[in-house]
Parts: sequence; C-alpha cells; structure tokens
Amino acid sequence: NAGVMQNPRHLVRRRGQEARLRCSPVKGHSHVYWYRQLPEEGLKFMVYLQKENIIDESGMPKERFSAEFPKEGPSILRIQQVVRGDSAAYFCASSPLETVNEKLFFGSGTQLSVL
Amino acid sequence: AQSVTQPDIHITVSEGASLELRCNYSYGATPYLFWYVQSPGQGLQLLLKYFSGDTLVQGIKGFEAEFKRSQSSFNLRKPSVHWSDAAEYFCAGQDWDNAGNMLTFGGGTRLMVKP
Repeated sequence: NAGVMQNPRHLVRRRGQEARLRCSPVKGHSHVYWYRQLPEEGLKFMVYLQKENIIDESGMPKERFSAEFPKEGPSILRIQQVVRGDSAAYFCASSPLETVNEKLFFGSGTQLSVL
Repeated sequence: AQSVTQPDIHITVSEGASLELRCNYSYGATPYLFWYVQSPGQGLQLLLKYFSGDTLVQGIKGFEAEFKRSQSSFNLRKPSVHWSDAAEYFCAGQDWDNAGNMLTFGGGTRLMVKP
C-alpha cells in the first residue's frame, strides 16, 4: 500500500514561471492538506481539500496560489509567477477522515527552488 | 491565537546520553499534541500523540512525552540517544474543536548526535 506520493521531489523555476506540485494521497483517502516549510522554519498550514472541494484555504496566499483535488487524479498545488520567496519545501498530507489526526500521513515533499 | 513553540533550535547530545526536547503550547483549551520526526529529504513521521488520559505517552523508537497542563508543555524524552536519532523534531498541536486535521507546528529542533 503506497503512502502519500509527491512529485516532483525537486523543482527549479525561474522568477515569473509557473510551478505545479502534485500529490497523490494514500489510496482511499479523500482528505488532502498542503503545508509549506520555509528554510529554518516549521511547517505552516496552507489549504485543506476534500474531493472537488476546498474546505479551508486560510493559510494560502490570496494571490498566485491555487489548489485543487479533482474527482480523479492527484491534488495539485499551483503557484503562478513564482518569486524567490516561494522557495520552500511543500508537503502534502492525507487522511481518510477529517478529525482523526492519528491517520494523517505525510509525503516526502517537493523542494521548490526559484532562481 | 493558537501557537506551538520549540525554544531550542539546535541541540547536540552524545550517543547514549538522555534527551529532552521542549515544546510549549498556547491554546484556548487543551489541544491534541503530537511529535513528528523529519529525517533529511524525508517526510514527517509521527512519533507519538496525546489526546487525553494518561499524561505520559509512549511512542515509537523509544521516545516518550509528558503532557503538563500547569506548564503548557509537552516535552519529548528519550533515555538513551542513538546516532540514528539525528534528525529534526517537530511538535504540533491541533485544536480539538476544529474541523479537519490542520496542525500548528513549532519551528522545529534539530538534533545532532556526537559519537
């Protein structure tokens, strides 16, 4: 049973380009969470999605960032017109339920570097 | 606002020595509390969690943590550290009243182990 799969592991973009980060949750999990880890900092919550719905995006910047979790396929975190400050590790987590945190599984992250 | 604080950014201990990593929380009510470990290039692995009941919680890899309401703390301990324990450790909290699995993370403590 595969865990949370994130790809790519490393992504390099130039300023102004778009970054698309993918997250395939554990099979059967319908809840996905995205976190961002800036250098030397802890993880910060960005967005919580269920299939085809954004439940909570309070941690996501209003500009340039968007997330989706379609009925079929992986969850996508999209960053348009990237800037150097977007350089960070982006982690995805999934769970089968919305409240039982012990079932939260994290992926290995995508390291985004903006040149 | 809820917060989780890890006062120590770096800690170095000798192999075989005991370890205590500090974590303090600030929540309106007692939150759910967690300790995660992150090895280089890896995702987060759950070490242990506290929901309620016994304030001394046993986890994997020989770790334990003690919840102290009077001190708003949830410190992680291990009686004898192994070189393989070198990693970054994150304390996290979740408001029991919120919907979804959004965690608030501390800034992390990087553990180095001397031979």
